[in-house]
Amino acid sequence: EVQLVESGGGLLQPGGSLRLSCAASGFTFSNYAINWVRQVPGKGLEWVAAISGSGYSTYYGDSVKGRITISRDNSKNIVYLQMNSLRAEDTAVYYCAKALSSVQWWWHHWGQGTPVTVSS
Amino acid sequence: EIVLTQSPDTLSLSPGERATLSCRASQSVDSYLGWYQQKPGQAPRLLIYDASNRATGIPARFSGSGSGTDFTLTISSLEPEDFAVYYCQQRSNWPMTFGQGTRLDIK
Repeated sequence: EVQLVESGGGLLQPGGSLRLSCAASGFTFSNYAINWVRQVPGKGLEWVAAISGSGYSTYYGDSVKGRITISRDNSKNIVYLQMNSLRAEDTAVYYCAKALSSVQWWWHHWGQGTPVTVSS
Repeated sequence: EIVLTQSPDTLSLSPGERATLSCRASQSVDSYLGWYQQKPGQAPRLLIYDASNRATGIPARFSGSGSGTDFTLTISSLEPEDFAVYYCQQRSNWPMTFGQGTRLDIK
């Protein structure tokens, strides 16, 4: 069974940093792209970042580019989202999701999300 | 970035009725358009990918159509569990983007 478990969320101050983790199991991890999507409570979905199965290719949303880095450790089956220079508008639930297949980057399996609150 | 505009924002229908949800892209996305369903307190669920392909386990009452800039998600006969928020998403160009969502309410 595919499982994705996010962790690392919490209450942070503006300007701070945070690293979210997405621990995966139940599939051949290095074969699949993983992405992060965030959602402000009560609002819509915002695509944040994606990383290929090998980790060689990374992609970012325009609103986070330059402040967020996605990476992965295929030996540990974990994807990370490093967030720097946090702003109030980064407050959201952050979901990680696994691609449908190695070439079809549709987000088929999702974690339960981890909340991030940026506030002084 | 490609902007996806969904319409209507809210759709109020009764069980058994047919639902038609639209998604329009600011430029062509070919057939690289997907649809997700989200219920309160839950993660999104992939329904349709590549405009018209149902994901594994998705009932046949869900269908997708369209290409280029105009897409439709149709639910042929609404079941009580279908009342949720629906999002379209494109993967034609980076960055990926989502539409703002259509809330499907029980009338």
